[in-house]
Amino acid sequence: QVQLVESGGGVVQPGRSLRLSCVTSGFDFATYAMHWVRQAPGKGLEWVAVMWYDGSHEFYAESVQGRFTISRDNSKNTVWLQMNSLRAEDTALYYCARGRDPYRSSSIYYWGQGTLVTVSS
Amino acid sequence: QSALTQPPSVSGSPGQSVTISCTGTSSDVGSYNRVSWYQQPPGTAPKLMVYEVSNRPSGVPDRFSGSKSGNTASLTISGLQAEDEGDYYCSSYTSSATFVFGGGTRLTVL
Repeated sequence: QVQLVESGGGVVQPGRSLRLSCVTSGFDFATYAMHWVRQAPGKGLEWVAVMWYDGSHEFYAESVQGRFTISRDNSKNTVWLQMNSLRAEDTALYYCARGRDPYRSSSIYYWGQGTLVTVSS
Repeated sequence: QSALTQPPSVSGSPGQSVTISCTGTSSDVGSYNRVSWYQQPPGTAPKLMVYEVSNRPSGVPDRFSGSKSGNTASLTISGLQAEDEGDYYCSSYTSSATFVFGGGTRLTVL
């Protein structure tokens, strides 16, 4: 079955960096776009970033543009989120997620369980 | 890239129907049929309930239906059941090739 397992969260000081990882299994990773979505404590969902199945395109929410970078390695079935210049408002549960359809940027279907990032001094 | 607009809360009694609206702009909901709806019970990851405006993934009851008119999408849940309680979020693809979520709606089954 499809599995998405995030790791790398933790407590980090404002201005510092953190890299989240998402290891996947149970599907042909190289054919699906991968997303990161976050949810601040007690708040709603916020889409963060997507990378196309072949790594040719990446897009970001305005709130993280220029600070976060999504990347993937199709040989390792893994997607990462490099987060730089972290702010208190980046504190959230970060979900790794997979699109529904291969070869296109489609609705998010599968979600991981999330990894918690806390930005605090 | 403003969030889509949803009512903060809706409620209904078992067996009744409720509708949750999701209002965007001509740059997202109004221009694309890639509108999705997610259910999120407390403490769990979201679950896709409707995709591409009105399609249901396998396993989602036909009590859940979606529609769209102009810049507003809607999710209707008929025959409400206690297990339907939770937070519901809409999402849309945008003209910037990004995605945007709504602020979320808390459904209470009375």
